[in-house]
Amino acid sequence: RKEVEQDPGPFNVPEGATVAFNCTYSNSASQSFFWYRQDCRKEPKLLMSVYSSGNEDGRFTAQLNRASQYISLLIRDSKLSDSATYLCVVTHNQGGKLIFGQGTELSVKP
Amino acid sequence: SQTIHQWPATLVQPVGSPLSLECTVEGTSNPNLYWYRQAAGRGLQLLFYSVGIGQISSEVPQNLSASRPQDRQFILSSKKLLLSDSGFYLCAWADSNQPQHFGDGTRLSIL
Repeated sequence: RKEVEQDPGPFNVPEGATVAFNCTYSNSASQSFFWYRQDCRKEPKLLMSVYSSGNEDGRFTAQLNRASQYISLLIRDSKLSDSATYLCVVTHNQGGKLIFGQGTELSVKP
Repeated sequence: SQTIHQWPATLVQPVGSPLSLECTVEGTSNPNLYWYRQAAGRGLQLLFYSVGIGQISSEVPQNLSASRPQDRQFILSSKKLLLSDSGFYLCAWADSNQPQHFGDGTRLSIL
């Protein structure tokens, strides 16, 4: 079983739709949680950190459930420019090593 | 502000040739440094990470090696490349358990 698992995707949605990405992690000692975005043939870029109380950044909302070891990302009013692969990332206190999920591809259509 | 530089951007090498990819970070000291590989259509695979000069941890057995000769310099090497070494190589840096920041990547093709 992979340490970080995400919805397999791809997700194909129309502009304006609300999209939810789900992620589970297996190591209960995990400390920090992030969502990254990766455009085709580009490097991953940090989208947002995920805090226990949940956090929002514009159209993006991230939530963490430590008891269920579950992380989510919600995108509201999706734009064409949101098309990318979204990576769930977890770290535990071992040299700051980040564990990446395999990613979920999102394609927003006009 | 911190920046990360990785080069070259693309590289085409014959099987059996050596490899050296370089990554440098500016604007921070004693960062954690990482090398990842991403095969086409696949997720990121951590190859090496370093928490200090001369300290290298290897995540997967392979014919690649890494070195950290200076605090903000991380080098990925191979003596003899294999076809399976093709991929997108990414260097990243981070402070402790903070998010990692990636370089632009090197797209390596082995012929």
